[in-house]
Amino acid sequence: DAGITQSPRYKITETGRQVTLMCHQTWSHSYMFWYRQDLGHGLRLIYYSAAADITDKGEVPDGYVVSRSKTENFPLTLESATRSQTSVYFCASSRRVGNQPQHFGDGTRLSIL
Amino acid sequence: KNEVEQSPQNLTAQEGEFITINCSYSVGISALHWLQQHPGGGIVSLFMLSSGKKKHGRLIATINIQEKHSSLHITASHPRDSAVYICAVSWGGGGADGLTFGKGTHLIIQP
Repeated sequence: DAGITQSPRYKITETGRQVTLMCHQTWSHSYMFWYRQDLGHGLRLIYYSAAADITDKGEVPDGYVVSRSKTENFPLTLESATRSQTSVYFCASSRRVGNQPQHFGDGTRLSIL
Repeated sequence: KNEVEQSPQNLTAQEGEFITINCSYSVGISALHWLQQHPGGGIVSLFMLSSGKKKHGRLIATINIQEKHSSLHITASHPRDSAVYICAVSWGGGGADGLTFGKGTHLIIQP
């Protein structure tokens, strides 16, 4: 089925480790986004991508790295995880930016011990 | 800083009541989104609007561009409407292209 999928759904890791969250969409949407959701802050944009090989920072990019070698994939990497990065991460995609709805994945719950 | 404010933060109502959730924003936008998130669940887009009013079933969303304000209404509320409702905006002009979100309204509909 077409859609947007995130993996893993749950992840527990230790501080200092590298972890990669995967996001895959089958709509060939140009835009993809990574958000984190925290109590008291709501959802915040980490990084986004307007097309393959084009990425840009959002509101809270520090400590994260993204890449987009193919339109359908947009992985998010925490190069050296910290406890403050414990959060729920959502990937989203849209055909265009602005006046197009965004379609969200089911989220990845990441705990860093 | 461009901001999105939602009210109320928490709302408990009885089944059948008419529900209103409000959202205000600070500067011009290209679109406003209403999203729904059930406990432990994913995020679903309910509406995207840049003017006027949209209706889907028992849900109605309105926006007043001049007043920089939007409302989400639920008619004949039901316990299955219990969820967090999130307002988000796409800003016009430059800057990051993602959404900016309100902190959400936690709605509980009691039978």
